[in-house]
Amino acid sequence: DTAVSQTPKYLVTQMGNDKSIKCEQNLGHDTMYWYKQDSKKFLKIMFSYNNKELIINETVPNRFSPKSPDKAHLNLHINSLELGDSAVYFCASSQVLLGTGNEKLFFGSGTQLSVL
Amino acid sequence: TQLLKQSPQFLSIQEGENLTVYCNSSSVFSSLQWYRQEPGEGPVLLVTVVTGGEVKKLKRLTFQFGDARKDSSLHITAAQPGDTGLYLCAGGLGTALIFGKGTTLSVSS
Repeated sequence: DTAVSQTPKYLVTQMGNDKSIKCEQNLGHDTMYWYKQDSKKFLKIMFSYNNKELIINETVPNRFSPKSPDKAHLNLHINSLELGDSAVYFCASSQVLLGTGNEKLFFGSGTQLSVL
Repeated sequence: TQLLKQSPQFLSIQEGENLTVYCNSSSVFSSLQWYRQEPGEGPVLLVTVVTGGEVKKLKRLTFQFGDARKDSSLHITAAQPGDTGLYLCAGGLGTALIFGKGTTLSVSS
């Protein structure tokens, strides 16, 4: 009954590889997000999607490509992985697009990506 | 540029002590939220404050939003080991939720 689920939990890969992280939410929310948390625990927004449309793209390298096949899914594909991509990636969802106040974000449990 | 500054960055206290965590900014936010994150998990929302000067209580936790909606504080009374975790403040800015760098709290028995 997990509200926001993302897979895999751990991802270890070599530099230069291409990998994907999947995210699904069963809350019926319209908006989904990808956040990156670095080794110092700083959580930074990468993308947000509202009804399958890209709303925010926060100066993320174009090696990162989000894909939203439907409202319940937002996957993250990363090409040509670099050492600096190592981090924990969190998927999240909210009922409405942020900016109206009082929104609540539901987070997945994270995917720890290690690029060797 | 760090929009939301949290202090202290680390806090290690004994069970039963009181503590306050601060979240400060030069920007005005439409709302401020506090999340708690445990190791290996995603952040979980504790509270949202929307009105300047607002005070919300959640059992032993008291949250305050500054009058100018630029800062907030979280006060924990009689801390318990179960309060251990990373506390994150987050501010609504346009259509994004911006996070502070967090306060890592460790409560030992």
